[in-house]
Amino acid sequence: SQKIEQNSEALNIQEGKTATLTCNYTNYSPAYLQWYRQDPGRGPVFLLLIRENEKEKRKERLKVTFDTTLKQSLFHITASQPADSATYLCALDSYSSASKIIFGSGTRLSIRP
Amino acid sequence: DARVTQTPRHKVTEMGQEVTMRCQPILGHNTVFWYRQTMMQGLELLAYFRNRAPLDDSGMPKDRFSAEMPDATLATLKIQPSEPRDSAVYFCASGSGQGGYTFGSGTRLTVV
Repeated sequence: SQKIEQNSEALNIQEGKTATLTCNYTNYSPAYLQWYRQDPGRGPVFLLLIRENEKEKRKERLKVTFDTTLKQSLFHITASQPADSATYLCALDSYSSASKIIFGSGTRLSIRP
Repeated sequence: DARVTQTPRHKVTEMGQEVTMRCQPILGHNTVFWYRQTMMQGLELLAYFRNRAPLDDSGMPKDRFSAEMPDATLATLKIQPSEPRDSAVYFCASGSGQGGYTFGSGTRLTVV
C-alpha cells in the first residue's frame, strides 16, 4: 500500500541553524510533492510544490529537493527562527484524473533561541 | 486573501446524533477535499470532489458518513449516527487540481 514517512516526529534545533526535514515514500509514483506548515489549532498552510522533473525549488529561506530514484524529498529552512516552529507535512499527488493527495504524519519542528 | 470557510468551528454532540459540517470552497477552485485529523492517525483523506463529482470516498465509513457537493459554493460532510470515535478535527480544502491547496480552519467535533 502507499506509504509516506516523515523522518521524525520531532526535531529540535538551535536558532540560526538549518533545519532539514525528510519525507520518504513507497508504492507511489507522484507527479509532484507538496510541503505544508501547520500551527496548533489551525489548518495546514501550503508552502511549496515541486514536480517530478524538478530537482530543487526555493522560496526565500525554504528549499525543497525531490529525488524520484531515492523516493525522497528534503525540506530545508535556512537561518531558522523561533517563528519557524510548527509541524511540517509533506503530501504527494499525481496527475491522474482520480489523483488524491496523501499526507505524511508530519514533523514537529522546534527552534530554540 | 481568498479563504475556505468551514462551519461550525466547534461542535459538541451526544452519541447517536446527526452532525453536519459545511465548507465553502474558494470561488473558482474545482477540487474539494475532506480530511479528518487526530493525534493518532494524522490527516486522513475521507472524500474528494472534482467539478462537484465525487472521485473517491474510500476513506469514509460508508455506513455513517456521507459527503455531498450540492453546488459549487457548498460541500457538506454528514455523520449519522455519530459515535465517540468520530471525535476529531475535520478539515475541508480546495484547489485548482494542480498545485497547493487551501485549507479551512477546521471543525472540531466532540461526540460524548
